[in-house]
Amino acid sequence: DGGITQSPKYLFRKEGQNVTLSCEQNLNHDAMYWYRQDPGQGLRLIYYSQIVNDFQKGDIAEGYSVSREKKESFPLTVTSAQKNPTAFYLCASSMLATQYFGPGTRLTVL
Amino acid sequence: GNSVTQMEGPVTLSEEAFLTINCTYTATGYPSLFWYVQYPGEGLQLLLKATKADDKGSNKGFEATYRKETTSFHLEKGSVQVSDSAVYFCALEISNFGNEKLTFGTGTRLTIIP
Repeated sequence: DGGITQSPKYLFRKEGQNVTLSCEQNLNHDAMYWYRQDPGQGLRLIYYSQIVNDFQKGDIAEGYSVSREKKESFPLTVTSAQKNPTAFYLCASSMLATQYFGPGTRLTVL
Repeated sequence: GNSVTQMEGPVTLSEEAFLTINCTYTATGYPSLFWYVQYPGEGLQLLLKATKADDKGSNKGFEATYRKETTSFHLEKGSVQVSDSAVYFCALEISNFGNEKLTFGTGTRLTIIP
């Protein structure tokens, strides 16, 4: 089955700890994206990558970092510098100008 | 800049009612327009899209027509079901030399009661 997987579905961390969210796709898409969703709000772009070994900041990149060492993988690290990390994080990939989303990871920082 | 304005929710309808969720946009250039649906606790699923003026996107009984003159892309369904209860997002994308970024509306929560 082709698709986008995100793991884990729920993640809990203590304040001050870095945490890495996984995103994998087997759709052979070049572009991948990370979004943050807060309750009652739309999605905001954190980082995106058009090709391997290249990525750009989105609208709210502060306190986050990414890597794109392989075409199928685009992990997101939420660092201790992110002031309000508790949110629902969504990964997407795109082909032919249409984005497809993974199931999301809900991060709660205690 | 680019922006999307959606009808504020929540919207509550009875089963078999007619649905309209309004969406208008502001964009520089010629955007593609999308509707995504999010069921509780899940990611977004592409519902339908339209890439140029007067195109109609349709899927699962939902329709939306790209109206350039009114800068709108309203979502409609003739007879809603309980299973349509979800949050609906309107979005636009302007491709810029392969640099594709979506701009989302804030979402409209739809609840269908039996």
